[in-house]
Amino acid sequence: EVQLLESGGGLVQPGGSLRLSCAATGFSFSNYAMSWVRQAPGKGLEWVSAISDTLASSFHADSVRGRFTISRDNSKNTLFLQMNSLGAEDTALYYCAKGSSFSRPYFFDQWGQGTLVTVSS
Amino acid sequence: EIVLTQSPGTLSLSPGESATLSCRASQSVSTNYLAWYQQKPGQAPRLLIYGASRRATGIPNRFSGSGSGTDFTLTISRLEPEDFAVYYCQEYGTSRTFGQGTKVEIK
Repeated sequence: EVQLLESGGGLVQPGGSLRLSCAATGFSFSNYAMSWVRQAPGKGLEWVSAISDTLASSFHADSVRGRFTISRDNSKNTLFLQMNSLGAEDTALYYCAKGSSFSRPYFFDQWGQGTLVTVSS
Repeated sequence: EIVLTQSPGTLSLSPGESATLSCRASQSVSTNYLAWYQQKPGQAPRLLIYGASRRATGIPNRFSGSGSGTDFTLTISRLEPEDFAVYYCQEYGTSRTFGQGTKVEIK
């Protein structure tokens, strides 16, 4: 059974940093692209960042480019999201999502339960 | 970037009725790289449909997807109580963008 367990969320002040993790089990992690998708309170889904299986390419939404960095450790089956210069607009539930393939195009066939990031003073 | 517009915003229906949800793209979706997800309150999204019309593993056949180019539809025939939720479409060929969602609520 595929499981994605996010962690690292919490309360952070504006301008601060946070590092999210997603521990993956139940599938061959290194063979699949992975993404982060977020959902602000009461709002819809927003794709944030994606990374291919072999680390060859990573992508970020315009709203986070230059502030967020996605990475992965295939030896530990773990996905990361380093978030810097956080603002109130980054407050959201952050989901880890498994891609259906190793590279584009892929949809998200498995999702974690999310970790909440709150940016507030 | 492809923008997806879903309609209606809210659909009020009774169990047993059919639901028709629309997802319109601002430009043609390459090779029908269009997915639909279901999200219930307090839960993560769940994949329903990919490739515009292919049901994901374990999805009941009352869920069906259709369409091509810029116009796509998710149809839920004979709504079950557990189908009342928010549904999102997503283009995954180029921009990975999601539509704003359609809420299917109990009338």
